[in-house]
Amino acid sequence: DSGVTQTPKHLITATGQRVTLRCSPRSGDLSVYWYQQSLDQGLQFLIQYYNGEERAKGNILERFSAQQFPDLHSELNLSSLELGDSALYFCASSSLSLDTQYFGPGTRLTVL
Amino acid sequence: DAKTTQPNSMESNEEEPVHLPCNHSTISGTDYIHWYRQLPSQGPEYVIHGLTSNVNNRMASLAIAEDRKSSTLILHRATLRDAAVYYCILGEYSGGGADGLTFGKGTHLIIQP
Repeated sequence: DSGVTQTPKHLITATGQRVTLRCSPRSGDLSVYWYQQSLDQGLQFLIQYYNGEERAKGNILERFSAQQFPDLHSELNLSSLELGDSALYFCASSSLSLDTQYFGPGTRLTVL
Repeated sequence: DAKTTQPNSMESNEEEPVHLPCNHSTISGTDYIHWYRQLPSQGPEYVIHGLTSNVNNRMASLAIAEDRKSSTLILHRATLRDAAVYYCILGEYSGGGADGLTFGKGTHLIIQP
């Protein structure tokens, strides 16, 4: 158990819908990262937040957005969902920015 | 970006040592070498990282070539629980790159009982 929690575990929704994925980092960790894992693209970095501020951006679509709240939990919002957004979404946290990352169990999103 | 090359898959027997190779011939002088693994149906898990010297921790050892163009992750006594995809990743910081961790395809390690 890494100490990172993600909810929900599974999410099934329809094309065009909007969903929110939630991540609680390890106690004391200030940095949160989001990754997407799909069969064709592998594991890809989406975005990083550090102490509430966006720190780095990867291959995140404009339809996706994230934020980190004062209690340090983070949410990833995915809108106008397409079939291709079906994937595993992982959150990771680290104590400081650019420190060793600890991953959560993931949220499996299925878009029908 | 400096890239890594790993075998697609490797097979080993339970309770034997496993040596997982990684080539990174374009590594820069300041790049750390990170290893993560992903067990079936789980998120990636940190294994070990190093810069120049060999490193040991409770999970594994990391042997880094003198010219740093290659490295080897050593599992001293593999168990069935070590069956996973192992990723070798370069990053300019101790926790990865400025843009997160860049995962390749990794090595699928199969452990035979």
